[in-house]
Amino acid sequence: DIQMTQSPSTLSASVGDRVTITCRASQSISFWLAWYQQKPGKAPKLLIYTASTLETGVPSRFSGSASGTDFTLTISSLQPDDFATYYCQQYSSDFPTFGGGTKVEI
Amino acid sequence: QVLLAESGGGEVQPGKSLRLSCAASGFTFSTYSLHWVRQAPGKGLEWVALISHDGTTKYYADSVKGRSTISRDNSKNTVYLQMNSLRVEDTAAYYCARDEREYVGGSHFDHWGQGTLVTVSS
Repeated sequence: DIQMTQSPSTLSASVGDRVTITCRASQSISFWLAWYQQKPGKAPKLLIYTASTLETGVPSRFSGSASGTDFTLTISSLQPDDFATYYCQQYSSDFPTFGGGTKVEI
Repeated sequence: QVLLAESGGGEVQPGKSLRLSCAASGFTFSTYSLHWVRQAPGKGLEWVALISHDGTTKYYADSVKGRSTISRDNSKNTVYLQMNSLRVEDTAAYYCARDEREYVGGSHFDHWGQGTLVTVSS
């Protein structure tokens, strides 16, 4: 199975900060990577797919990028609604796998 | 509006069985692959199983393989997860999610249900 290593596991930030979350794949997954946001007690919500394509309705302060097997989710200016846990997911193989998650807290 | 609604969760003893359901609406159910994803309390997301749009292809995570069966009824717009020989470590919220890519599948998950909680405890 393809392993996804996400860092950091926890991130402390303030409103207005630029935030970066990283995900590394254990092998090449091309651009088959998605990012999800999850708030407590809620289902995950799709933010970005194919590494850098913003899902419809997602604010433009979210962006994604890729370099080889390293992927990055960036929030350009953190808003109060952005405090949540973020997960990356590869869907290159028949067996999708998620990163361990990054909790963004105040 | 795409809606996915899970049901069937509850508290069961180790070794028992449970069948989860996910009722879909708002899209052409028979053209999309569906997935089950679970999340243990306080933990991350774990993909569990996939079924193709026509039910001919099924994949399972190693953690549930041999104990669980995914199926679908396209006439009822419903996907199921039959879980047998349940273990304490199967305790989790179980979500169904739609694969974004019609027919072929193998894409990201664009819509999720709200989840159903399964608790395995003696």
